[in-house]
Amino acid sequence: DAGVTQSPTHLIKTRGQHVTLRCSPISGHKSVSWYQQVLGQGPQFIFQYYEKEERGRGNFPDRFSARQFPNYSSELNVNALLLGDSALYLCASSPGTESYEQYFGPGTRLTVT
Amino acid sequence: AQSVAQPEDQVNVAEGNPLTVKCTYSVSGNPYLFWYVQYPNRGLQFLLKYITGDNLVKGSYGFEAEFNKSQTSFHLKKPSALVSDSALYFCAVSSPSGAGSYQLTFGKGTKLSVIP
Repeated sequence: DAGVTQSPTHLIKTRGQHVTLRCSPISGHKSVSWYQQVLGQGPQFIFQYYEKEERGRGNFPDRFSARQFPNYSSELNVNALLLGDSALYLCASSPGTESYEQYFGPGTRLTVT
Repeated sequence: AQSVAQPEDQVNVAEGNPLTVKCTYSVSGNPYLFWYVQYPNRGLQFLLKYITGDNLVKGSYGFEAEFNKSQTSFHLKKPSALVSDSALYFCAVSSPSGAGSYQLTFGKGTKLSVIP
């Protein structure tokens, strides 16, 4: 079975621009979570979606938004990019929202110049 | 609020020796505890988890971890380290929120270097 896939792999954007990151979960997984990993730090929770509904939101500004589609894939959108948004963005999927471990994709490396 | 502390930025161990990577946590309610490993330019790989039951949990690649409720710790261990174990290790905790979200809170990570 294919693991979690993310696109694109790398992305370079300019301050003020908008970016959309995409994630496809493991087949059969209905929950998708997004994390931001700044260099030298652990991942920080941004959003969790389950059955197309937002189930959790981390301490991120409203410039960050996400959605989940009927096929359980997900998009993370970031508006008005700042230099500080440069990071590795990780998507994780799990069967549900409970105690299941989350399986991570390879990430999208976003660089904002 | 939940939090995780990994007190060591780096751990060096000789190949063949036992290794320990430390983790302490803070959470209200019962904790769900996880260890993940990250290789350079890669996503995180799940190693093991503690949800309930036996305090010693076994995971992938010969790793194990011991849950200690009184010390709020969940240290990662391996009896004999391999050079290929060299990577960045993250401890994480989750606990249910009111909306039914089990968001993971990660520590800052510990870089493990196994010396041949």
